[in-house]
Amino acid sequence: DAGVTQSPTHLIKTRGQQVTLRCSPKSGHDTVSWYQQALGQGPQFIFQYYEEEERQRGNFPDRFSGHQFPNYSSELNVNALLLGDSALYLCASSLRTGWADTQYFGPGTRLTVL
Amino acid sequence: SQKIEQNSEALNIQEGKTATLTCNYTNYSPAYLQWYRQDPGRGPVFLLLIRENEKEKRKERLKVTFDTTLKQSLFHITASQPADSATYLCALDMRFGAGTRLTVKP
Repeated sequence: DAGVTQSPTHLIKTRGQQVTLRCSPKSGHDTVSWYQQALGQGPQFIFQYYEEEERQRGNFPDRFSGHQFPNYSSELNVNALLLGDSALYLCASSLRTGWADTQYFGPGTRLTVL
Repeated sequence: SQKIEQNSEALNIQEGKTATLTCNYTNYSPAYLQWYRQDPGRGPVFLLLIRENEKEKRKERLKVTFDTTLKQSLFHITASQPADSATYLCALDMRFGAGTRLTVKP
């Protein structure tokens, strides 16, 4: 049973560029959440997708957008990259039970913006 | 504003001792609270979930308490081992604390 997978593992971009990160959820999971984790900090919630729609959003600008596909996989897009966007981007999947979302995290994508 | 605070950035203890980590929160009324473990360069791994009507929960050497009056959760690792060295994160809803880095010395 494959867990959560993310691609790529590492990425280097320059300021102003755009980036797309990808996530495949754990088998059987229908909900995908994205987090940004700066060095030494806890994960910061970006947004959550369920049934191909954004259901919740954290305090992130519109430069951060996403998509969920019918097979539940998801993409995170970041436009007009800033140096401060350098971080580990984590994808987490869960099964929406209407109660508690225990999340399973992928290994993350390390984004460096130069 | 909503805040989740974990007691310290780092905790160093001797092997065999009990590690106690603290998570305090403000302006939340959570139905549950979760604890995760994170190793360097890896994603967090779920450890335990405790509901608001549960005072205590155990899993092997792990114990979590949840006091909704104090707005605090305590996470204990008994008989700690060097392999327990990691960062431990508490989470409410979709929000995480900054974590406490635990180092267990042989």
